[in-house]
Amino acid sequence: QSVLTQPPSASGTPGQRVTISCSGSSSNIGRNFVYWYQQLPGTAPKLLIFRIDQRPSGVPDRFSGSKSGTSASLAISGLRSEDEADYYCAAWDDSLSGAVFGGGTQLTVL
Amino acid sequence: EVRLVESGGGLVQPGGSLRLSCAASGFTFSSYWMNWVRQAPGKGLEWVANINQDGSEIYYVDSVNGRFTISRDNAKNSVYLQLSSLTAEDTAVYYCARGSDTAMPGEWGQGTLVTVSS
Repeated sequence: QSVLTQPPSASGTPGQRVTISCSGSSSNIGRNFVYWYQQLPGTAPKLLIFRIDQRPSGVPDRFSGSKSGTSASLAISGLRSEDEADYYCAAWDDSLSGAVFGGGTQLTVL
Repeated sequence: EVRLVESGGGLVQPGGSLRLSCAASGFTFSSYWMNWVRQAPGKGLEWVANINQDGSEIYYVDSVNGRFTISRDNAKNSVYLQLSSLTAEDTAVYYCARGSDTAMPGEWGQGTLVTVSS
C-alpha cells in the first residue's frame, strides 16, 4: 500500500487532455513539493515535473502539474501515442523522514 | 550530460550481502544529494535511501533501515549502497538518482538488477 494514492490506470485518445490524480496527507503533499516521473516501457524513470509545476528543460509544455491541499494532479494535453507510459507522483514525507511514491498510473493511449 | 552508471547487481542467496556502486559524471557530484530507488519486478517505485552532499545527512525507508547502508566518495564521484541480510522481498532493479533541486530524485541511471534467491 503506497503512501501516495494514484489511480492504477488512465486512458485517452490522441489529442485529448487527461489528468492523473495523486492523494497524500499533511505530512507529504500538504507541506512539500510534488514531483512527477514518467517511465516508458522497459526504461528508467524520467523527471517530468518538479516543485509541483516546474518542467525540466526538454519536457513539452503539454505536461503540467498542480497542487491543492493534500492532493496533486498531472495534466497531459494534446495526448500522443508516445505518452503511453507509467506515471508516478512523489513527495518528501516529514513524518517518515523519507521520500514517498504513489503506486503509479498506467496511461493508455487508445 | 549527466551520466549515472550503476553496477554490482547480481544473484545472491537469502541472508547474503551485496554492494552496489553508482559512478557519476557530467556534473559537480559533490553539490548534489544522491538517492537509491528500487523497483521490484512488475511493481512500482520505492525510494530506498538518500545522502546529502557531504554525507552528514542520511535517510532510509523503514524496511531497509539497519540492513542497508548508503555512502558516497566525492573524490571518486560515486555513491554506494551496501545491502545485507537480504530477503526475496529485496529483489528489484536498483536505480541511482541524482537529487533534483532538492533531495528528491531528478536524473536517473539505468539501474542494476538484484535477485535474492536460493
